[in-house]
Amino acid sequence: GAGVSQSPRYKVTKRGQDVTLRCDPISSHATLYWYQQALGQGPEFLTYFNYEAQPDKSGLPSDRFSAERPEGSISTLTIQRTEQRDSAMYRCASSQDVAYEQYFGPGTRLTVT
Amino acid sequence: GESVGLHLPTLSVQEGDNSIINCAYSNSASDYFIWYKQESGKGPQFIIDIRSNMDKRQGQRVTVLLNKTVKHLSLQIAATQPGDSAVYFCAETTPFGGNQGGKLIFGQGTELSVKP
Repeated sequence: GAGVSQSPRYKVTKRGQDVTLRCDPISSHATLYWYQQALGQGPEFLTYFNYEAQPDKSGLPSDRFSAERPEGSISTLTIQRTEQRDSAMYRCASSQDVAYEQYFGPGTRLTVT
Repeated sequence: GESVGLHLPTLSVQEGDNSIINCAYSNSASDYFIWYKQESGKGPQFIIDIRSNMDKRQGQRVTVLLNKTVKHLSLQIAATQPGDSAVYFCAETTPFGGNQGGKLIFGQGTELSVKP
């Protein structure tokens, strides 16, 4: 595609519900990253994929967070039993490889009420 | 722990002036640094990068300086324009020598406001 896309752009959910966020990276990009960005702060790393492999998920805040990229292209980030503190902007980025420029998507604004 | 931070959270400049945004980093193992521009409601946009084997890199109206001795990074914007108004983040990573997979560690951000 022309750029990284994410859906939905906005998600409001009630505490305790599960949510799944989607990222569609630039086609042919091997590497895909998930970041969490609080208002006024820089993005914080959650996890990344190299094709289907997930070498690092050290940034995931708890075991309620999980991510997948089963076919090495589209990725999903799932948050189970959402809590208010999960409210944030979730950004996806992709790059040709780990040492290349990361292109960020528009993000999904998650609000947990 | 490892961190990247910005000295100035806000910067206001007159249109046409030069802007300098500073950043300090603490991980001496970082070997790749990037400046991102983030406009309201948008994702971070790549501006310019520099590898640790360089101390200066120039782009169109932008220059990045790297001082590894004091772990300092700066972004210079020449002839600042209203369209440059945004939040600027520096980020560090170790995609080459380390095993970080290229994950970016972002600093706090500096909001640049350009007065016409």
